[in-house]
Amino acid sequence: ELKVEQNPLFLSMQEGKNYTIYCNYSTTSDRLYWYRQDPGKSLESLFVLLSNGAVKQEGRLMASLDTKARLSTLHITAAVHDLSATYFCAVDLSGNTGKLIFGQGTTLQVKP
Amino acid sequence: NAGVTQTPKFRILKIGQSMTLQCTQDMNHNYMYWYRQDPGMGLKLIYYSVGAGITDKGEVPNGYNVSRSTTEDFPLRLELAAPSQTSVYFCASSDSGTGGSYEQYFGPGTRLTVT
Repeated sequence: ELKVEQNPLFLSMQEGKNYTIYCNYSTTSDRLYWYRQDPGKSLESLFVLLSNGAVKQEGRLMASLDTKARLSTLHITAAVHDLSATYFCAVDLSGNTGKLIFGQGTTLQVKP
Repeated sequence: NAGVTQTPKFRILKIGQSMTLQCTQDMNHNYMYWYRQDPGMGLKLIYYSVGAGITDKGEVPNGYNVSRSTTEDFPLRLELAAPSQTSVYFCASSDSGTGGSYEQYFGPGTRLTVT
């Protein structure tokens, strides 16, 4: 059974600081996704990582994928309050149908 | 484009009632998905479809049924609602995308309470 585990589950940080969210998964997959969810809202796609060594950056967020270690990271640089949200990673179980297994989510709170 | 739309936004059901959650997408995507999200948790896949007339079970299909008669619509049917089905339901769609990304686009969700 594929398991996807994120840590930490909750992160409170000061504006301007850096931090990393980790996403570990238990079986082979080379397709990983990061989503953002604001309270009471739907999910917004942040990054799609399709191969070992993939790195993508958007603003203060950077995501990477190491398929050999079965690990993805979401790095936050110089956090700002607007980044406060819950972040989910999801792994594609099937490889060609988009059947995703989600992690539990990491709730990020950025304090002024 | 409206993207993925879901109706209703909110619904309260009594135990044993039935209902259909509607999902429509206007992006001509072949793949569609239904997820549920329980409080403080990630999403779990209920059913998915790879095209009109083709559906398959996800992680948590019990108590639900789906059909896909058109590319645009993917309704989710709850029969004999139970309190355990209290959740937020999200519909999503995708195509194979650039490089086979299968990036999913989510609807706004339906918040369902069963009492």
